[in-house]
Parts: sequence; C-alpha cells; structure tokens
Amino acid sequence: EAGVAQSPRYKIIEKRQSVAFWCNPISGHATLYWYQQILGQGPKLLIQFQNNGVVDDSQLPKDRFSAERLKGVDSTLKIQPAKLEDSAVYLCASSLEADGSYEQYFGPGTRLTVT
Amino acid sequence: KQEVTQIPAALSVPEGENLVLNCSFTDSAIYNLQWFRQDPGKGLTSLLLIQSSQREQTSGRLNASLDKSSGRSTLYIAASQPGDSATYLCAVRDFGNEKLTFGTGTRLTIIP
Repeated sequence: EAGVAQSPRYKIIEKRQSVAFWCNPISGHATLYWYQQILGQGPKLLIQFQNNGVVDDSQLPKDRFSAERLKGVDSTLKIQPAKLEDSAVYLCASSLEADGSYEQYFGPGTRLTVT
Repeated sequence: KQEVTQIPAALSVPEGENLVLNCSFTDSAIYNLQWFRQDPGKGLTSLLLIQSSQREQTSGRLNASLDKSSGRSTLYIAASQPGDSATYLCAVRDFGNEKLTFGTGTRLTIIP
C-alpha cells in the first residue's frame, strides 16, 4: 500500500513570497491533516479535513494560510505572504475512520525555509 | 486544554542497554495514545498505538504502557541498537476529538 505523498520535499523562499505544498493521502482515507513542526517542537495541527469539508482549522493563521481539499482526495496548503517564523516542516497525515482507532499515517514532510 | 510533556529532551545510552522514555499528559480523558519515531529530515513513523482501555502494547523490542489515571505512558526499548537513534514523540488523542496533541519529543542516541 502506498503511503502519504508530499511535494516538494524542500523549499526555500524569501519573506513575503508565496508557496504551496501538495499532499496525496493513502487511498481510501477520508480524513486528512496538515501539521506544522517548528524545529525542536512537536507537530501542531493546522487544519483537518473530513472528505472535502473542514473539521478543525482553529490553529490555522487564516490571514496568510489557506488550504483546500478538492474532491476529497488531494490537498494543497498555501502560505501568502510568508514570514520568517513560517520556517518549519509541514507534515501531511491521513487516517481511516472505519477501524475506530483514527491512527494517523504521516508523509515525509516539506521543509520550508523562509529567508 | 491537553498538554503533553516528554522528559528528558535528549538521552544517550550505550548499545545493548534497555531504556525507558517517558510521556505525561494533563487530561486523563483520552481516546488513545500513539508513539512515533522521527528520523532527521523525515516524517513520523507510528510505532505503537494504545487504546484507552488497554494497559500496554508490544511490537518486537518495543513495549508501551499506559496509566490513564496518573496521566503517564512509557516506551520501553529492549537491547538498544544504533539504528534506534531517532527522536521519539508521543501524542494523545482526546475523546470526541480526532486531533493529536504532541509532546516535544525525546532525542535518543545509541552509542556503539
């Protein structure tokens, strides 16, 4: 079974530029999550989708971050404009509700450096 | 608000030793707890998931225990190997909320 795919793996941009990340979850997984992991910290949830609807975006900085999940499969996370403090690893995860565990499977992440 | 703490932040042990990593959480009304491994520059790999009704889970040389009443979990690694070097994260899922709350991790180094 293929895992969670993310691209790009690395991105370097200047502050005030925009950037977009892509995620393809495990086939059949209805729930998709985007996390931000700053160096030395644990991942922090940015947004959670159930199919193509938003379940939780309480920690998403909506003035600069946006995310969408069209057709309930792939998802994109965008930052516009980027700030220095956005430098982090952005992790995508997916889970299958049917087994009741909500166990999340993570992709390799995208490392963003804002200069 | 759930808070998860992992102490120590870093740990170095000689190869072959058994070791214990600690995780504590503030709200005992959890649905389950998950231990992850993260290698440098990589994503998270799930190691063990313990449901709230369980006391422990085992996979190979790994054993995770859960004591909900005291808000603690431990990850026991037997006969450590250099390949076990990584950051270990624990995460808690509360009832009624699929969101995971993560600790800051323990960076483990196994010395050959």
